Amino acid sequence: GAGVSQTPSNKVTEKGKYVELRCDPISGHTALYWYRQSLGQGPEFLIYFQGTGAADDSGLPNDRFFAVRPEGSVSTLKIQRTERGDSAVYLCASSLTAGPWETQYFGPGTRLLVL
Amino acid sequence: DQQVKQNSPSLSVQEGRISILNCDYTNSMFDYFLWYKKYPAEGPTFLISISSIKDKNEDGRFTVFLNKSAKHLSLHIVPSQPGDSAVYFCAAPYSGNTPLVFGKGTRLSVIA
Repeated sequence: GAGVSQTPSNKVTEKGKYVELRCDPISGHTALYWYRQSLGQGPEFLIYFQGTGAADDSGLPNDRFFAVRPEGSVSTLKIQRTERGDSAVYLCASSLTAGPWETQYFGPGTRLLVL
Repeated sequence: DQQVKQNSPSLSVQEGRISILNCDYTNSMFDYFLWYKKYPAEGPTFLISISSIKDKNEDGRFTVFLNKSAKHLSLHIVPSQPGDSAVYFCAAPYSGNTPLVFGKGTRLSVIA
């Protein structure tokens, strides 16, 4: 079966612009996670959804970042007024259900470069 | 404050020998640990995990050891193969919750 997919694979934008990053989780997975990986760092948690609702958004760095999952499947991470420091790889993962014992399956990521 | 630490950014090992990757953690509430492997331009893939009720878990060439008193775990790969060359991340669910806390990773190079 298909794994987690993310689009676009690369995104170059200018400082101040708005971007949307999309994640398609594995079919049937109810939990969906967004992480951000900066150069030389491990992935850092941003937000996760259980179904349609954001169960934990404590990792979002500020109010320029927002994510939605309106139908409990596809999710979109939205970044307003992008800054150069937002440049990173944005990783999406999904798991069958939420829970610390559930394996999270990652997509290939979206590489965001803010000029 | 990094709760999961991988202090070796890189490791180079001869093919056929053992690779040992180390990870330390500071949060004594962590009770489950995972190792992920990442190739360039791909997302991390789950490799092996261990619960805090065990001190060892083995899966083929991969074994993870947990020393709770030292807050230390290690991943052993034996024998190492060139295809094992990747970045390895140690991770733990944060405070029993679902999101993972990752270390910075160790880049393993297996030389033929």
